Amino acid sequence: GAGVSQSPRYKVAKRGQDVALRCDPISGHVSLFWYQQALGQGPEFLTYFQNEAQLDKSGLPSDRFFAERPEGSVSTLKIQRTQQEDSAVYLCASSLEGTGLGLGGDFGPGTRLTVT
Amino acid sequence: AQSVTQLGSHVSVSEGALVLLRCNYSSSVPPYLFWYVQYPNQGLQLLLKYTSAATLVKGINGFEAEFKKSETSFHLTKPSAHMSDAAEYFCAVSISNFGNEKLTFGTGTRLTIIP
Repeated sequence: GAGVSQSPRYKVAKRGQDVALRCDPISGHVSLFWYQQALGQGPEFLTYFQNEAQLDKSGLPSDRFFAERPEGSVSTLKIQRTQQEDSAVYLCASSLEGTGLGLGGDFGPGTRLTVT
Repeated sequence: AQSVTQLGSHVSVSEGALVLLRCNYSSSVPPYLFWYVQYPNQGLQLLLKYTSAATLVKGINGFEAEFKKSETSFHLTKPSAHMSDAAEYFCAVSISNFGNEKLTFGTGTRLTIIP
């Protein structure tokens, strides 16, 4: 079946521009996670949704970062007034539900954001 | 809070040799542990996971890992390396937190296979 998809796959933005990154999770998956992976680093948690509810946004680096999942399926990560330090790969993961079984989640291919 | 340390940012092994990638974790509660592989310009693929059942976990592509609580380790092994194993490997930890099973990743180990 279809996996997690993300669009665009590559995005170049000039410093100060706003960007929107989209994640289409696997159909029926309740949990959705966003991660940021800087070059040469491991992914770092940004935010977590359970259906449409954003239950954890402790990883968002600043108030320029905003995420939503209004209908409990597609999610959008928005970055306002992009800075060079925002350059990274943004990964989305979804999982069927938080059952306490440590599902880990299915990852999308990521969106590589380059801020010039 | 939980954390993961991967020893060795780069590991090189000859084709056919044993692969050993090291991971140590820290967690105040029983953890779930994962190994992921990442090929260039791709997302993360789950190799295997430990969820408090058997301590020796077998995954895809011939990889396995053993959870050792006394050593707080979860090292990844494969008996015989293949050229297609060349990739970046990440160890990760999570805990059960009312459905929020966010992952904390290590910094990764780049595996190179020498022909």
